Amino acid sequence: GQNIDQPTEMTATEGAIVQINCTYQTSGFNGLFWYQQHAGEAPTFLSYNVLDGLEEKGRFSSFLSRSKGYSYLLLKELQMKDSASYLCAVTSGAAGNKLTFGGGTRVLVKP
Amino acid sequence: EPEVTQTPSHQVTQMGQEVILRCVPISNHLYFYWYRQILGQKVEFLVSFYNNEISEKSEIFDDQFSVERPDGSNFTLKIRSTKLEDSAMYFCASSEMGGPSDTQYFGPGTRLTVL
Repeated sequence: GQNIDQPTEMTATEGAIVQINCTYQTSGFNGLFWYQQHAGEAPTFLSYNVLDGLEEKGRFSSFLSRSKGYSYLLLKELQMKDSASYLCAVTSGAAGNKLTFGGGTRVLVKP
Repeated sequence: EPEVTQTPSHQVTQMGQEVILRCVPISNHLYFYWYRQILGQKVEFLVSFYNNEISEKSEIFDDQFSVERPDGSNFTLKIRSTKLEDSAMYFCASSEMGGPSDTQYFGPGTRLTVL
């Protein structure tokens, strides 16, 4: 089975840093994606990790530890437009391309 | 930048009716997917499709559901005899290849309301 856990909600101040944790227990794990989803909109791709370590992409970084079943998304220099849900998703399955999502973490950025 | 498009943006139907949700994947993509998101809940995988065949489906995707690529650009999800619990946002996605590292790009979704 698949189990992906992330906090439900986080609040942070504009300009600050926020770290969103994701733990997973899954069979046939291939890799881990982070998506951003604004309310009522589609998920949009942020990052992908398959190997242990940190992937940096501008203001966003993502970390993976396969042995611990753990990932985090780091958002730096927060902007108001970063208020959204952040979805952790793992790929698994026979074809390796089935995305299983966590419940998402709603981040509220305050001025 | 190429996008996945979906129509309609909102569909309202009566319980027991059939609906067809339409998607146009990104043109050079070979793998197509449907996901759904019930209001306030997580995004759930329904089905993946490649080379005119279903490659994987979830337990949600029962005989009530079917997918089709009727022509070279469209990808459809048909729900026969809709139920109240089918009310959700349905997202189509596509990826260039179908590997585990291949990014899936999502369309804007169709909000299905079953009355």
